[in-house]
Amino acid sequence: ETGVTQTPRHLVMGMTNKKSLKCEQHLGHNAMYWYKQSAKKPLELMFVYNFKEQTENNSVPSRFSPECPNSSHLFLHLHTLQPEDSALYLCASSRTGGAEAFFGQGTRLTVV
Amino acid sequence: QQQVKQSPQSLIVQKGGISIINCAYENTAFDYFPWYQQFPGKGPALLIAIRPDVSEKKEGRFTISFNKSAKQFSLHIMDSQPGDSATYFCAASRQGGKLIFGQGTELSVKP
Repeated sequence: ETGVTQTPRHLVMGMTNKKSLKCEQHLGHNAMYWYKQSAKKPLELMFVYNFKEQTENNSVPSRFSPECPNSSHLFLHLHTLQPEDSALYLCASSRTGGAEAFFGQGTRLTVV
Repeated sequence: QQQVKQSPQSLIVQKGGISIINCAYENTAFDYFPWYQQFPGKGPALLIAIRPDVSEKKEGRFTISFNKSAKQFSLHIMDSQPGDSATYFCAASRQGGKLIFGQGTELSVKP
């Protein structure tokens, strides 16, 4: 285990549903990230948080809404998703200013 | 400027052979180049990393070769084993910032 825990591991949701993904890190890091991993594509950085503040949003549609209540927890709230949003969503953490990122095991999301 | 290009997309190697994966970058401000290994159902895990002040770094069977002038770096896996079968991602970052990932290489090592 890397010290980054994501729940749930698998999620199937309809296009009208609202669900949330949770990430928790036990590494004392101050930076947290959401990545999207689709088949045959590079990991796409979605959001970056440093010390609970969002510092980057890579033009992510508003149907994805992140929340970072403290440096150890990160959420991704999902609503009215599209089938093309089906992917593996990965959370990662690092020291602020540190380059090594530690990843969770991901949530496999299927939108039906 | 932000891209990292990785090749090949997939690679099949016989057990005991050498696996070679290549990456090229554009942004000369990048100063950290890690390789991540990802097994099915798992998140990527850091395998080995290099900074541009050295041309090579070796950890066990894994070696990074770095060519600053060509803006290229590669991962060599010596004596490849079936347990090395995984997807490998190169990445780059600048001054401890966000990682920019390559497209990934699916490695299969045949017994």
